Amino acid sequence: NAGVTQTPKFQVLKTGQSMTLQCAQDMNHNSMYWYRQDPGMGLRLIYYSASEGTTDKGEVPNGYNVSRLNKREFSLRLESAAPSQTSVYFCASRLQSRNYGYTFGSGTRLTVV
Amino acid sequence: LAKTTQPISMDSYEGQEVNITCSHNNIATNDYITWYQQFPSQGPRFIIQGYKTKVTNEVASLFIPADRKSSTLSLPRVSLSDTAVYYCLVEPTGGSYIPTFGRGTSLIVHP
Repeated sequence: NAGVTQTPKFQVLKTGQSMTLQCAQDMNHNSMYWYRQDPGMGLRLIYYSASEGTTDKGEVPNGYNVSRLNKREFSLRLESAAPSQTSVYFCASRLQSRNYGYTFGSGTRLTVV
Repeated sequence: LAKTTQPISMDSYEGQEVNITCSHNNIATNDYITWYQQFPSQGPRFIIQGYKTKVTNEVASLFIPADRKSSTLSLPRVSLSDTAVYYCLVEPTGGSYIPTFGRGTSLIVHP
């Protein structure tokens, strides 16, 4: 099993450019999440999808949009990248939206210059 | 939002038991507590989850006192491969979903 797969692993963007981070899971999980991790900080939730067809804002949604394409795929889009969005982005999934542990991907390291 | 506080770093030696405590004074009644391990350039990995008292699995134990204002992850007989960053997570089971990760405890295990 591949688990949670994120692409790309690294990306450098110029301020104002757009891009989409891709995430796919093969564990038949219902819930998927996007987190960002900054140095010295814990992970902060950007958006999540409790089940296919639903999406909700997390703690830090500004500047991002998401799409739950199907049960397997959950993408994160930066419409106009800013240096403050330089971070490591993690996608995660779990069987249900509460009371289960996450399975995380290996992350996307994004630098906005 | 629940606020979580963990020690920034800890040192230990192979074969010792390590206890990492997370403080979460304003935890809500229905919040769950989960601990994750993270190695460099990897995503966090689930270790253990609990609500109250004690939970044990094959790799760790989680102790939660009756007031639930803190939790302690216990790693028995650590090895060099346990060198990692450990995060506690407090997450709600009802209402709007805003989970709170701690800032992580960097554990270094020495030979």
